[in-house]
Amino acid sequence: GAGVSQSPSNKVTEKGKDVELRCDPISGHTALYWYRQRLGQGLEFLIYFQGNSAPDKSGLPSDRFSAERTGESVSTLTIQRTQQEDSAVYLCASSFQGLGEKLFFGSGTQLSVL
Amino acid sequence: QQQVKQSPQSLIVQKGGISIINCAYENTAFDYFPWYQQFPGKGPALLIAIRPDVSEKKEGRFTISFNKSAKQFSLHIMDSQPGDSATYFCAASKNNQGGKLIFGQGTELSVKP
Repeated sequence: GAGVSQSPSNKVTEKGKDVELRCDPISGHTALYWYRQRLGQGLEFLIYFQGNSAPDKSGLPSDRFSAERTGESVSTLTIQRTQQEDSAVYLCASSFQGLGEKLFFGSGTQLSVL
Repeated sequence: QQQVKQSPQSLIVQKGGISIINCAYENTAFDYFPWYQQFPGKGPALLIAIRPDVSEKKEGRFTISFNKSAKQFSLHIMDSQPGDSATYFCAASKNNQGGKLIFGQGTELSVKP
């Protein structure tokens, strides 16, 4: 595909359940980011992967949040024991090394925790 | 602590008018200032960006004005069109951490025909 792909596009879950969100970055992009966007708010940085370097996890809000990336491809964001305040759009972005500032965003996963 | 403050929250402009959105930042270590445009149901897309070594950057109808001493920057949309109706976010990052952005709260722009 030409762009960043995220799945599912919508996820409804019950409080306390675990959820897994997936991101397929643009082929060849070595950097991958996860952001969270609460309703009517700006985006909040969560985590950043660059090649084989250790990820920058400084934006993860709690230890219930984790993310993995396989090489320079797919990434998954996992939220354990979901809470209502986790309801948000989770956006993934990728960028090409050397043009690191220009982020290409996916359309996001709308997560609703009931 | 909100490091990038954006105003106004919403803006209504007539077709052909000028749309102006303002942002202020606190951290003098910021060295990259992009603007992103987001349509409903879509992810943000980079519109235009500036670094603090210049005071203005223009791309088509879009211009960023940057005031380093005041720690402020703004987006000007000339000849605004209904297709420009979207949410606009300013952002900032520092120390070659270009993709690790601090975003403003967003401005919902509506351009009336």
